[in-house]
Amino acid sequence: DAGVIQSPRHEVTEMGQEVTLRCKPISGHNSLFWYRQTMMRGLELLIYFNNNVPIDDSGMPEDRFSAKMPNASFSTLKIQPSEPRDSAVYFCASSLGEGRYEKLFFGSGTQLSVL
Amino acid sequence: GDSVVQTEGQVLPSEGDSLIVNCSYETTQYPSLFWYVQYPGEGPQLHLKAMKANDKGRNKGFEAMYRKETTSFHLEKDSVQESDSAVYFCALGNNNDMRFGAGTRLTVKP
Repeated sequence: DAGVIQSPRHEVTEMGQEVTLRCKPISGHNSLFWYRQTMMRGLELLIYFNNNVPIDDSGMPEDRFSAKMPNASFSTLKIQPSEPRDSAVYFCASSLGEGRYEKLFFGSGTQLSVL
Repeated sequence: GDSVVQTEGQVLPSEGDSLIVNCSYETTQYPSLFWYVQYPGEGPQLHLKAMKANDKGRNKGFEAMYRKETTSFHLEKDSVQESDSAVYFCALGNNNDMRFGAGTRLTVKP
């Protein structure tokens, strides 16, 4: 199994530009999570999908952030417009099961730098 | 709301030393508890878990006991190795949330 695949690995963009992060979960997993990691705030849960349906997006910082899961094998996290304070490592994770108490499998992350 | 508090910052034992990384949690529910480990350039990965009170998670010489009476899940190892160096996250999971602690950087001196 290839594990959770995220792209791009690194993204450098200028303030105001649109950024799209991509994630392919492990085949057969029905839950998908987007996390953001910074030194100041640690690992923050942004949004959680179960069976492609967003269950809880209360962690999404503001309207500039949006996430979609059009099918079981693909999800995107979009930031429009991007700001320097969005700079962080963004992780996607998937799990088999409905509850968040299941074991999570993380991707390698996308390092986002907004200049 | 639910929360997880763990040993802050960095821990610097020497190879062969014993280790305790503290983790305490707050919740009104019946969570599962986890320790995740993160190596440079990678995402966190599950290190060990305990699904209910009095369970003990074990992996690679590390242990953690799910203690409901003290709401704790401390990570322990009798003798650390240089290869154990990484960032360790304590996490709490239940029906409503999956919360991570701030992370503890373990750097084992040779």
